[in-house]
Amino acid sequence: AQTVTQSQPEMSVQEAETVTLSCTYDTSESDYYLFWYKQPPSRQMILVIRQEAYKQQNATENRFSVNFQKAAKSFSLKISDSQLGDAAMYFCAYRSSDTGTASKLTFGTGTRLQVTL
Amino acid sequence: EPEVTQTPSHQVTQMGQEVILRCVPISNHLYFYWYRQILGQKVEFLVSFYNNEISEKSEIFDDQFSVERPDGSNFTLKIRSTKLEDSAMYFCASLWQGLATQYFGPGTRLTVL
Repeated sequence: AQTVTQSQPEMSVQEAETVTLSCTYDTSESDYYLFWYKQPPSRQMILVIRQEAYKQQNATENRFSVNFQKAAKSFSLKISDSQLGDAAMYFCAYRSSDTGTASKLTFGTGTRLQVTL
Repeated sequence: EPEVTQTPSHQVTQMGQEVILRCVPISNHLYFYWYRQILGQKVEFLVSFYNNEISEKSEIFDDQFSVERPDGSNFTLKIRSTKLEDSAMYFCASLWQGLATQYFGPGTRLTVL
């Protein structure tokens, strides 16, 4: 079974600074997807960014980018120019692509990000 | 932009009562999911559903749980006899065939007293 580990329960960043959230995962599969979801206080789950394992290029979405290291099974999220609205719980998630498109998401335990002035 | 909707936003029930949580997935999506998040914990997979049958279920999804797509739009999760430990946020998600990303609804907060 796949596991996802987020070793930072809480992180803090000053507004306009850059922060990196860590995620590692364990799998024996070669093809899969990795995601970062944001959960603000409203508890809505919002997709931040997605990475396909077969792609060597790191995904980017505006101020959000990932550092995907497949051999190390590492998938960190970098938030640049942090804004107050970035304060939330961030979950890393894994999804297999081997068992078909009904595959479930496996989540990490989350990192709570605080953004200070 | 199409979105997944869930009702109610908050449900309070007595232990032993039946509850039905409702979801309306994005209209052209074919795969549907329920996840659970106990307060302060990670999001856990409950069940996936495709072509009017369960594709996969977790150990949490025991005989007290059932899912149904009663019509072309709704996707429901029923808990037959709620327990205190069923108190959690329940998220519905849907996915369009050929894409990887599951889109989540806003969640239903279930409180069992």
